[in-house]
Amino acid sequence: EIVLTQSPGTLSLSPGERATLSCRASQSISSYYLAWYQQKPGQAPRLLIYGASSRATGIPDRFSGGGSGTDFTLTISRLEPEDFAVYYCQQYGSSPTFGQGTKVEIK
Amino acid sequence: QVQLVQSGAEVKKPGASVKVSCKASGYTFTDYYMHWVRQAPGQGLEWMGWIDPNSGGTNYAQRFQGRVTMTRDTSISTAYMELNRLRSDDTAIYYCARVIVLLAGPGLDYWGQGTLVTVSS
Repeated sequence: EIVLTQSPGTLSLSPGERATLSCRASQSISSYYLAWYQQKPGQAPRLLIYGASSRATGIPDRFSGGGSGTDFTLTISRLEPEDFAVYYCQQYGSSPTFGQGTKVEIK
Repeated sequence: QVQLVQSGAEVKKPGASVKVSCKASGYTFTDYYMHWVRQAPGQGLEWMGWIDPNSGGTNYAQRFQGRVTMTRDTSISTAYMELNRLRSDDTAIYYCARVIVLLAGPGLDYWGQGTLVTVSS
């Protein structure tokens, strides 16, 4: 099973600041199979990024993804109030797994 | 519009079984795999498995093998997830989610609203 480790566990930032979230895989994975989700309290997750760097429909361009091999990142260029949430990476291999999540909270 | 509507909350005793349904609308049910993901209270997301609604083929996470069964009824565009021999640590919100496979990669693009399953004696 591929383990995804996200860091940091919590990111405390102010609106307007840049957020950089990390997702590290226990073994190399194809960028094709790496996705990111946002989850707000009481809601189902929402697809943000697929294929490591492609934004899903309706996702603002302040969200960007990158990386390859074992190291992937999600960047939010300027945090808006609605961006404070928990973010998960997922690898979609033969046995998909999720990272444990990074909480982006208001400083 | 695409919608996934799940069945209501359940309370079960340890050792019992639960069957959660996920009714799809707004798209051709058999064209997209359906995944099941759960989330224990205050915890992260855990992938459980998927079903191909077209063939009925399934793929389960190893930790649920032998305890989970995913089925579908194409006549009513509904997927089901049954979990047996429930334990207290199965208490969680269970989600169904459709997977879309785009040129650049796959992703779970539509999710059900979630079904809370509480296991308590």
